[in-house]
Amino acid sequence: DAMVIQNPRYQVTQFGKPVTLSCSQTLNHNVMYWYQQKSSQAPKLLFHYYDKDFNNEADTPDNFQSRRPNTSFCFLDIRSPGLGDAAMYLCATSRRSSGLAGVETQYFGPGTRLLVL
Amino acid sequence: AQSVTQLGSHVSVSEGALVLLRCNYSSSVPPYLFWYVQYPNQGLQLLLKYTSAATLVKGINGFEAEFKKSETSFHLTKPSAHMSDAAEYFCAVSDSGGSQGNLIFGKGTKLSVKP
Repeated sequence: DAMVIQNPRYQVTQFGKPVTLSCSQTLNHNVMYWYQQKSSQAPKLLFHYYDKDFNNEADTPDNFQSRRPNTSFCFLDIRSPGLGDAAMYLCATSRRSSGLAGVETQYFGPGTRLLVL
Repeated sequence: AQSVTQLGSHVSVSEGALVLLRCNYSSSVPPYLFWYVQYPNQGLQLLLKYTSAATLVKGINGFEAEFKKSETSFHLTKPSAHMSDAAEYFCAVSDSGGSQGNLIFGKGTKLSVKP
């Protein structure tokens, strides 16, 4: 089945120790998103890639970076995690078209829960 | 600018009762609207989406939603709740107001189902 995969499902890191979360997809979608979701809150968009074009949200801290080496993979790097960065991190993908090709729909992975000690 | 408001952060129903989760939108253009469900420690799963083809949209797991332009609403309903429906539900709108673009989510409604 075509899907969005996130590894690991749970990640424990230490305060200030860099951590990388990964996302892969078999949907061949051209857009990949990273969201941060804290307890009982809506997902908050951090950034997204439209093909190789990186789009950062204005309020995303510099501590968060992303890489997309190819269509299938996208990584979230947290350079110096703080206690406030403990959250669920969700990856999503979609197919975006400049023409009249239906409605862009996002498909989510299962998420990675990050714990910062 | 587009936005969605979900009325009620927590809704509780009895098993077999009607489920009604409310979503109102604000949009300068005809919107594209979505409902997602999130089970504990899981990602978001698409329930249904409004694409302007029909005002009554049927989704998975017996859910449906009706787009009402006059009320700027897109409420989610299910005739008979099941224990497995207990989850958090998010309404979302495309931020561009068009068929392509990022999503703006409501704050979510947590549904509890009592036996």
